[in-house]
Amino acid sequence: DTAVSQTPKYLVTQMGNDKSIKCEQNLGHDTMYWYKQDSKKFLKIMFSYNNKELIINETVPNRFSPKSPDKAHLNLHINSLELGDSAVYFCASSLNDFTDTQYFGPGTRLTVL
Amino acid sequence: AQKITQTQPGMFVQEKEAVTLDCTYDTSDPSYGLFWYKQPSSGEMIFLIYQGSYDQQNATEGRYSLNFQKARKSANLVISASQLGDSAMYFCAMREDTGGFKTIFGAGTRLFVKA
Repeated sequence: DTAVSQTPKYLVTQMGNDKSIKCEQNLGHDTMYWYKQDSKKFLKIMFSYNNKELIINETVPNRFSPKSPDKAHLNLHINSLELGDSAVYFCASSLNDFTDTQYFGPGTRLTVL
Repeated sequence: AQKITQTQPGMFVQEKEAVTLDCTYDTSDPSYGLFWYKQPSSGEMIFLIYQGSYDQQNATEGRYSLNFQKARKSANLVISASQLGDSAMYFCAMREDTGGFKTIFGAGTRLFVKA
């Protein structure tokens, strides 16, 4: 059973397009996250939702809009894609305490042409 | 300021030998957790080991152990008996009790295991 799943795994698109990445977790966790990993492998948090409420919103362009329809799902919609959006996007989930481990999805490699 | 520092961009180790990957952190919060993740070339992030700031003993998980030196603010990962499959990127990360749900990651260390 996949704990944290993301679709699609690969996404290739043209500049200016709008795209979405979906994430689902079956771990019963209350908190979900989106991370961006750039070409130098640096991993940075973008958003976090706890029980469907946005709790972390880093300095991310407002072209990025997360949406959490329920505790088990956190989707990421990106408008007007730019070349600099090319990266690997990871979804993750955890329980609520700072001691709790985050479990990551397999990642979505986004390439903007 | 960098909260998590991994000073070794790349490391080589001979198969079957032990290797230490360095991690130093910076926090004023007395309650925090430290995590290590492995990212093989296939790309997934795999949780390896956790150390809490109040834990008296160093964490161990199989061949992985964490050399936790609280006064020096270091949390080095030790991999014993390296295997070829250990070749990967390794990330140190920290969550603070007062940091909300934010996890801060280091820049990573790429480990190469030689046969």
